[in-house]
Amino acid sequence: DAGVTQSPTHLIKTRGQHVTLRCSPISGHKSVSWYQQVLGQGPQFIFQYYEKEERGRGNFPDRFSARQFPNYSSELNVNALLLGDSALYLCASSLAATSGSSYEQYFGPGTRLTVT
Amino acid sequence: AQSVTQLDSHVSVSEGTPVLLRCNYSSSYSPSLFWYVQHPNKGLQLLLKYTSAATLVKGINGFEAEFKKSETSFHLTKPSAHMSDAAEYFCVVSVSGGSYIPTFGRGTSLIVHP
Repeated sequence: DAGVTQSPTHLIKTRGQHVTLRCSPISGHKSVSWYQQVLGQGPQFIFQYYEKEERGRGNFPDRFSARQFPNYSSELNVNALLLGDSALYLCASSLAATSGSSYEQYFGPGTRLTVT
Repeated sequence: AQSVTQLDSHVSVSEGTPVLLRCNYSSSYSPSLFWYVQHPNKGLQLLLKYTSAATLVKGINGFEAEFKKSETSFHLTKPSAHMSDAAEYFCVVSVSGGSYIPTFGRGTSLIVHP
């Protein structure tokens, strides 16, 4: 079975531009979460979606938005890019959005975003 | 509120010697605790998890962690380090009630010398 896939792998954007990152969860997983990992730090939670509804939001500005599609894939959008948005963006999928073994998250390889 | 502190940014061991990566957490409710490993240019992989069952948790690749509520700790151990264990390790805490929003530690870089 395919794992979590993310596209693109790498991306270079200019300040002020907009970017869309994509994630396909493991087949059968209904929950997708997005994380930002700045170099040298642990991942920071951005969003969680379950059954196409937002179930959690981290401490990120409104420039960050996301959505989940009927096939459970997801997009993360970032507007008005800043230099500080340069990071590895990770997507994780799970069967469910709450506790227990069904919450175990499986991570994709990430999208490396560089803002110049 | 919840938080997690990984007490060492770097841990250096020799191949074949024990590994100890330390993690302390803070949580208002009963936590779920996880350890993830991240190899260079790879995604995060779950090593093990604690979700209010046995306090000694066994994971993949010979790793173990013990949940100690009195010490608010969840340290990761392995009896004998292997060169392939060299990676970044993250301790994660999340709590029940609505959605699970996990909090990651800053990470511990494990260096294994031959």
